[in-house]
Amino acid sequence: QSPLTQPPSASGSPGQSVTISCTGTYSDVGGYNYVSWYQQYPGKAPKLIIYEVIKRPSGVPDRFSGSKSGNTASLTVSGLQAEDEADYYCSSYARNNNFFGTGTRVTVL
Amino acid sequence: EVQLVESGGGLVQPGGSLTLSCAASGFTFRNYEMNWVRQAPGKGLEWISYIRHGGTNIYYAASVKGRFTISRDDAKDSLYLQMSGLRAEDTAVYFCARDGFHYYGLDLWGQGTTVTVSS
Repeated sequence: QSPLTQPPSASGSPGQSVTISCTGTYSDVGGYNYVSWYQQYPGKAPKLIIYEVIKRPSGVPDRFSGSKSGNTASLTVSGLQAEDEADYYCSSYARNNNFFGTGTRVTVL
Repeated sequence: EVQLVESGGGLVQPGGSLTLSCAASGFTFRNYEMNWVRQAPGKGLEWISYIRHGGTNIYYAASVKGRFTISRDDAKDSLYLQMSGLRAEDTAVYFCARDGFHYYGLDLWGQGTTVTVSS
């Protein structure tokens, strides 16, 4: 099994937007609208920020948005804030499996 | 408070066994599907196992299939992971995580418990 592919890093200045891609195959990302995104600070547990491609759990700012096209899902963080500096992981359901992405470190310049 | 608390981690020799526990509180545990996810030092997240409410469906990642066993005791609001044939590459922080209620996404995580496989 291979993890989903994410860029290792992304960055932006406060107030700017950053978009992270998550590339899989037709068997996972492309085959289901079951992509989720997680934010993780060092030494902490991950936190769900997007589920089912585009939905935000209660309490997650609307600066976080998700989308999908074909086998690639994306997370956009608009209006970057200092507290957005963290690791971000995508995840996709696949038949009887669940794959995580390789992770992206977002740096706020 | 709605929370998950893992326990049972520690140092174990290669080939050894260990059982992790995850205690749930603040929600109706029996209604939720549960997972184990791990993270090796300095690495990304890896999903390793899932159990449906009632234990009717169980799935494993290829990396642990045949060596790890997930189970749950709804009467005790607890999730378990029995690990055997442990290898150095199983060294990681192990998280239990709850599936969202009728939606896909891991919406509640424990703080993690550390397993170190070393001689």
